[in-house]
Amino acid sequence: AAGVIQSPRHLIKEKRETATLKCYPIPRHDTVYWYQQGPGQDPQFLISFYEKMQSDKGSIPDRFSAQQFSDYHSELNMSSLELGDSALYFCASSLAGNSYEQYFGPGTRLTVT
Amino acid sequence: QKEVEQDPGPLSVPEGAIVSLNCTYSNSAFQYFMWYRQYSRKGPELLMYTYSSGNKEDGRFTAQVDKSSKYISLFIRDSQPSDSATYLCAVNNNAGNMLTFGGGTRLMVKP
Repeated sequence: AAGVIQSPRHLIKEKRETATLKCYPIPRHDTVYWYQQGPGQDPQFLISFYEKMQSDKGSIPDRFSAQQFSDYHSELNMSSLELGDSALYFCASSLAGNSYEQYFGPGTRLTVT
Repeated sequence: QKEVEQDPGPLSVPEGAIVSLNCTYSNSAFQYFMWYRQYSRKGPELLMYTYSSGNKEDGRFTAQVDKSSKYISLFIRDSQPSDSATYLCAVNNNAGNMLTFGGGTRLMVKP
């Protein structure tokens, strides 16, 4: 079965640079979620989208923004990167109204040097 | 205090043992309870979800929720070395979209 696709899988950036992470949800899933997982930490919710509209917001820094497109894929844009932004970034998807059934992608490992 | 608490382990058991993994939570508004399995450097994999109190079984896995004590459990029967991973409990009230995770328990099943 098709899963959530994330790209790139690995990304190395320098401080103060920008990064864009992409997420392609499972076919027919219309809701996407972004999570950040630091080393040894559990995933922390950043933001979610349904039908191109932001549906919920968590601990997402103001330096980050995200959007969902008409084909339901989503992009997380990160600016003025800091060393502390180094983490695994996961995208998850679900059908609308089924936020209890989120399926996660393989993640993008971001390293900020 | 975290909304969801989970013993980080590691929990080491011999192959074939019954494993019990547990979480406690603080907010009675949570209605959905999930268990995810995460292998090193991989994305969390949804094992099962339960609505409200009760039990749910799927193969070797059984999830149990006791809302009165705000306690959730995952039992793994006939554990295998391939079950070695970090197990994350998560909760959701379905009014919001976010999952709130426990810190994860690292399980090691030794052959």
